[in-house]
Amino acid sequence: DSGVTQTPKHLITATGQRVTLRCSPRSGDLSVYWYQQSLDQGLQFLIQYYNGEERAKGNILERFSAQQFPDLHSELNLSSLELGDSALYFCASSVAGADPDTQYFGPGTRLTVL
Amino acid sequence: GQNIDQPTEMTATEGAIVQINCTYQTSGFNGLFWYQQHAGEAPTFLSYNVLDGLEEKGRFSSFLSRSKGYSYLLLKELQMKDSASYLCAVLYNTDKLIFGTGTRLQVFP
Repeated sequence: DSGVTQTPKHLITATGQRVTLRCSPRSGDLSVYWYQQSLDQGLQFLIQYYNGEERAKGNILERFSAQQFPDLHSELNLSSLELGDSALYFCASSVAGADPDTQYFGPGTRLTVL
Repeated sequence: GQNIDQPTEMTATEGAIVQINCTYQTSGFNGLFWYQQHAGEAPTFLSYNVLDGLEEKGRFSSFLSRSKGYSYLLLKELQMKDSASYLCAVLYNTDKLIFGTGTRLQVFP
């Protein structure tokens, strides 16, 4: 158990819908990262937040957005869902400023778009 | 840009030794991680190298050559539970992490 929690564990929805994935980082971690992992694909970095502020953006679609709240939990919002958005979505957290800045992953949310 | 290459699949026998290679091209290199990921589960941290050389941790060892842009993960005394994907990830610009597509290792009895 990494200490990172994600909800829900599974999500099944239809095309065109909007969903919200939630992540709580490890206690004391300030950075939160979101990744997408499609079938047989590597982990694709989406976005990073540090202490409430957006820090880095990866391959995140405009239909996707995220935020980090004052209590440091984060939400990833996916809208106008398409079949191709079906994937495992992982959240990871790190202390930020540690050496090394190791990322610890949550169990993931499996999103299925029908 | 950043680029990481590792073999797609490998097979080995229980009790044997296997070496999983990773080559990378990146700017602002700050270190290299290896993660293990069982199917459908979260990646879990295995090792971190920032200096050249070998880091040993039980049955797992990781090697780094910064000048060659090369790393390997060595797994000894393979067990069935070691069947998983092994992800090489490069840390650059302090806190940016890019992952390779992973090497799926199958261990046979």
